[in-house]
Formats: sequence, structure tokens, C-alpha cells
Amino acid sequence: QQQVKQSPQSLIVQKGGISIINCAYENTAFDYFPWYQQFPGKGPALLIAIRPDVSEKKEGRFTISFNKSAKQFSLHIMDSQPGDSATYFCAARVTGGGNKLTFGTGTQLKVEL
Amino acid sequence: GAGVSQSPRYKVAKRGQDVALRCDPISGHVSLFWYQQALGQGPEFLTYFQNEAQLDKSGLPSDRFFAERPEGSVSTLKIQRTQQEDSAVYLCASSHRTGRDPEQYFGPGTRLTVT
Repeated sequence: QQQVKQSPQSLIVQKGGISIINCAYENTAFDYFPWYQQFPGKGPALLIAIRPDVSEKKEGRFTISFNKSAKQFSLHIMDSQPGDSATYFCAARVTGGGNKLTFGTGTQLKVEL
Repeated sequence: GAGVSQSPRYKVAKRGQDVALRCDPISGHVSLFWYQQALGQGPEFLTYFQNEAQLDKSGLPSDRFFAERPEGSVSTLKIQRTQQEDSAVYLCASSHRTGRDPEQYFGPGTRLTVT
């Protein structure tokens, strides 16, 4: 059962453009939503995270938008750079539920010059 | 400081063989997680330790999978009688206990190929 759905599966963006990745969840007990970045041969690394009590969180070029009523959240990468080319995973967690993460299926982002 | 390390980085096993995958978490991290990442997919939770106690093993796919963390630091994931569907990257993550949302730090993974 896929509890976190992610789209698109792959994305090509021009340098300087905005990359947008979307996720939707079903379990209303989720209360922490991180985004991870993964380069080939490496483990995922935390990029930015949000709790549902805010609708947006920004850190540098990365912004999470959160819509609690729609059970959707998205990652925006502003001024995308070739170094941002990686696979991005959204995830969700129930605090106190052992802190295990439920991941989306991933989005492979390529930023072209 | 040193991050999470995993060994071996690559493992090829013949179907039916047993394998053992090691995880060295960040020193002092109380929590340790194992995830399985199939090709082109997101990581899927396998099991969770708090110190030496295995508090959640709901994600282990079968009784061929066994994990331990006897002294609350290094952990080993063992897969008995490997099958082709076990081929995946096995990721280990650790986190400290303090803070509202303790970050999970992932190791580079062990890529297991069962032939």
C-alpha cells in the first residue's frame, strides 16, 4: 500500500528555472514531512522538512508548500542548478510511531545548462 | 565527524546463500533504522532499534530477514537463503534521541545482488 504518492517520476529543467515536485498522502496521522536528496551511490540526505502547522517553509532556494486539507505537499527548487541534478524523495512520519519514514517513489531531476 | 558507514558496499550472493550486512551508526546515536531500496523506488522501512532493543520489525518481508544490535551500537542485518527478489540496496540510518524531529542520517547503503 503506497501511502505517499509522488510525481513526476522524472523532470528536466533548464538552469535557472523552477523545479516542482508534488506529493500526496493518505494517512492523516502523518505529522512530519521531510524531503530527501539522493545522489547516485549515496544515501538520502535531509534537504528540508515541514510540520502541518505551517503552510510554507523556505530554506535558501528550497521551499516546501503544504496543503493540509488536500493532504498534499510540494518541493520548489528556485534557480535550479546542474548540481541539483539528483533523485528527490518526499517522506512522511508519524511522530512517536517509532519515527520510521514512509517514502514516495522518487523524482529524478536533471537540470540542463 | 564520521557519518554512518556500511559494509560491504557491494555484495553478490548466489540464490540460497546467507548474507550479513553491517551498519556502523554515528557514535552516540540511540536510534537505528534499516530500509530496503529497490531499483528506481523509494526506501522502504524494515526495522528499528532504540539502543539494543528492536522496537519495530513490521517491515521485515519474511522470517528469512533478521536484524540485531546486541550492544546498542553496530547493527547487522542478516538474510538467510537469499532469493532474487532480495536484490536491492539496503540502507541504514541513525538518529540521536534529542530534539523534536531527530534527523535520520543515512549511510551509503549495501547493494545486494542475488544471482
